[in-house]
Amino acid sequence: DSGVTQTPKHLITATGQRVTLRCSPRSGDLSVYWYQQSLDQGLQFLIQYYNGEERAKGNILERFSAQQFPDLHSELNLSSLELGDSALYFCASSPGQGGMVRSGANVLTFGAGSRLTVL
Amino acid sequence: AQSVTQLGSHVSVSEGALVLLRCNYSSSVPPYLFWYVQYPNQGLQLLLKYTSAATLVKGINGFEAEFKKSETSFHLTKPSAHMSDAAEYFCAVSRNAGGTSYGKLTFGQGTILTVHP
Repeated sequence: DSGVTQTPKHLITATGQRVTLRCSPRSGDLSVYWYQQSLDQGLQFLIQYYNGEERAKGNILERFSAQQFPDLHSELNLSSLELGDSALYFCASSPGQGGMVRSGANVLTFGAGSRLTVL
Repeated sequence: AQSVTQLGSHVSVSEGALVLLRCNYSSSVPPYLFWYVQYPNQGLQLLLKYTSAATLVKGINGFEAEFKKSETSFHLTKPSAHMSDAAEYFCAVSRNAGGTSYGKLTFGQGTILTVHP
């Protein structure tokens, strides 16, 4: 158990629908990252939040949005779903917002992922 | 922009043989480099990291990697493969603090390691 909790583990939905994926970071970590893993694109960074504020944005579609709440958990909202959105969505957390921290590099700890299937 | 190239999407070795997984990176600033492993139906687990200290980095499960700036490489090795090493391995690069990318990782496409008895 990495300490990063993601729910749900599996989700099957239809095109055009909206889903929310939830992530609880490891205790003490302030940053949350979302990644998408698909067969054709590999592991792609979507977005990072640090202590409630957006810190970095990657290849995140406009149909997707995320937020980090005061208790530091994060939600990734995916709307107007398309077949191509089927993927494994990972959440990761880290102590700092980037670079070095006292314990060493700002290492990301990953959750087990949420597998989304769009039919 | 940073990028990572993993040479070989599939590597097959016999149990007890040397494991060598290749990773080359591109970065305009001194990079941080990582190897992660993903077992089936699981998340990514950190194997080892390079953060500009010693160029030879030792990780968990007997793995190690050597940072070679002149070759822009960070290959992963293990002297003797075990059946339990079968998994997908990802090389990743991140930028130093001060860059706009903060701690986010750019991953390679992954290498699936198969270990034969």
